[in-house]
Amino acid sequence: DAGVIQSPRHEVTEMGQEVTLRCKPISGHDYLFWYRQTMMRGLELLIYFNNNVPIDDSGMPEDRFSAKMPNASFSTLKIQPSEPRDSAVYFCASSMDSSYNEQFFGPGTRLTVL
Amino acid sequence: AQSVAQPEDQVNVAEGNPLTVKCTYSVSGNPYLFWYVQYPNRGLQFLLKYITGDNLVKGSYGFEAEFNKSQTSFHLKKPSALVSDSALYFCAVRDVGNTPLVFGKGTRLSVIA
Repeated sequence: DAGVIQSPRHEVTEMGQEVTLRCKPISGHDYLFWYRQTMMRGLELLIYFNNNVPIDDSGMPEDRFSAKMPNASFSTLKIQPSEPRDSAVYFCASSMDSSYNEQFFGPGTRLTVL
Repeated sequence: AQSVAQPEDQVNVAEGNPLTVKCTYSVSGNPYLFWYVQYPNRGLQFLLKYITGDNLVKGSYGFEAEFNKSQTSFHLKKPSALVSDSALYFCAVRDVGNTPLVFGKGTRLSVIA
């Protein structure tokens, strides 16, 4: 398996623009997680899905952030409009449906909002 | 709610010396404990986990971790550090049910040649 795939790997955009980050989880994994990593705040869980259904989005910072999972093999995280403070590395992770299974992380998308 | 603490932001060790990266946790039930490593510009990679059984868990790249229930700790160890072990290390915990992992803030390990 290719592991968790994220695109793009790097994104540079201007404040106010819409940004869409993409994730393909590992086939057969029932859970998908979106995280954000910054120097100041560390690794933050934004939202997670189980069988394509959002379970907990309490970590989503503002209404500017939205996430969807239209099918088992694809998820998006959208920021509209983007702001400079959204600059961070965004990670997607997936896991199988069991409490003792580890989460597998993608390589991340480094977002820079100018 | 579960939580995990990594008391050291930075750990420095000489190559060839043993290393320890500390982690303590808090959960309401029996913990599931994990260690991850992050190399520069990469995602987090799973190293090892404790679910049940033997308190000493062996993982990738020669790392091991010791689960201590009385001290609520899960310290990561390696008998002989390599320069290539230099990275950011995260401890994580999960309580009962398939809730997301709760991560610590990370400890930056620097192995000096």
